[in-house]
Amino acid sequence: DAKTTQPNSMESNEEEPVHLPCNHSTISGTDYIHWYRQLPSQGPEYVIHGLTSNVNNRMASLAIAEDRKSSTLILHRATLRDAAVYYCSDSGGSNYKLTFGKGTLLTVNP
Amino acid sequence: NAGVTQTPKFRILKIGQSMTLQCTQDMNHNYMYWYRQDPGMGLKLIYYSVGAGITDKGEVPNGYNVSRSTTEDFPLRLELAAPSQTSVYFCASRQLTGSGNTIYFGEGSWLTVV
Repeated sequence: DAKTTQPNSMESNEEEPVHLPCNHSTISGTDYIHWYRQLPSQGPEYVIHGLTSNVNNRMASLAIAEDRKSSTLILHRATLRDAAVYYCSDSGGSNYKLTFGKGTLLTVNP
Repeated sequence: NAGVTQTPKFRILKIGQSMTLQCTQDMNHNYMYWYRQDPGMGLKLIYYSVGAGITDKGEVPNGYNVSRSTTEDFPLRLELAAPSQTSVYFCASRQLTGSGNTIYFGEGSWLTVV
């Protein structure tokens, strides 16, 4: 199973950009990179995903390294509502066994 | 627009009791997953299924059983509940598409074993 590693925690100020890194050095060539976030006392929710190219949506941007061994989730202007645990993951490989790392706890200061 | 529905939301069990956590999805997804999340920790995969009639163990399957008789339902059974199974349980589903495979999670089931 491919594994991901993320920093345990990060801190940001409101209205500032946040770059959340993820290493996925054993990801296979066909696995997508996913990001999810979990607000307190809620289930995880989808944020963004990509394969090779950088991706943008209304929530965030995803920058994927050329060798695909790492990626960065970018929140362009952090808000207090973005305070959450952020998880990166791959697609689960050929057997679709989807696992998550410990995630990064993002704290946003007013 | 129900998505993934889990029941019950909260449950207190006594040691040695058994129970089933129900999970239903209305999106016709083939892939379904059960995770547990201990306080302050990440998600640990218990069991998963790639389609009706097919299940497989995840990272922490001991003490649990699953079945997948229909595409919609993926119940998780706890036999002989133990305090170590006190946790929040999340069910999830997804369908592979050409552009990726978004995962949808239920709201969670809080289980306490005393």
